[in-house]
Amino acid sequence: GAGVSQSPSNKVTEKGKDVELRCDPISGHTALYWYRQRLGQGLEFLIYFQGNSAPDKSGLPSDRFSAERTGESVSTLTIQRTQQEDSAVYLCASSLVGRAGGGDTQYFGPGTRLTVL
Amino acid sequence: GEDVEQSLFLSVREGDSSVINCTYTDSSSTYLYWYKQEPGAGLQLLTYIFSNMDMKQDQRLTVLLNKKDKHLSLRIADTQTGDSAIYFCAESPYNQAGTALIFGKGTTLSVSS
Repeated sequence: GAGVSQSPSNKVTEKGKDVELRCDPISGHTALYWYRQRLGQGLEFLIYFQGNSAPDKSGLPSDRFSAERTGESVSTLTIQRTQQEDSAVYLCASSLVGRAGGGDTQYFGPGTRLTVL
Repeated sequence: GEDVEQSLFLSVREGDSSVINCTYTDSSSTYLYWYKQEPGAGLQLLTYIFSNMDMKQDQRLTVLLNKKDKHLSLRIADTQTGDSAIYFCAESPYNQAGTALIFGKGTTLSVSS
């Protein structure tokens, strides 16, 4: 595709429910990233995929958060038993090779705004 | 731990220059980035600089890097109302898996006509 796409663009859910957020990276990009942006805050790194494997899950805030990636393409971020503090914009990015140390531009999607009531 | 600091707000008049400052902490960061976020939109990469450079110019944008002080700045010449947005500074520490970026909280630039 032309860019990174995410769905849904907005999600309102009740506390305790599970949600799934989807990211379609740019075709051919092997690296995929999930970030969270709380209101008035910078982006917080959650997880990184190189191909289908996730070598770095250190940013996931709790075991309620999980992510998977299939076919070196689509990724889903799942939040179980959502809490109000999970309310944020969840941003996905992809890059060509995910080379350590930078120099591999990350392209961001428009994000999913999650509101937990 | 890593932390990227930015001032939160900057207000300028149309036609003036804007300077947004950032300090970072990880000297292993080989690339430093500036992203722009407009309301309701994702992040758009504006420019980046490699750590062995002091300056990079791209049309109205000038990036200055002081590696000794771990200070990065973004200068926007002839600022326009369309430049109003949140600007994020980000670093990519070498010891991070992949190229996961560490972002500042963003500087909201407000341009008045």
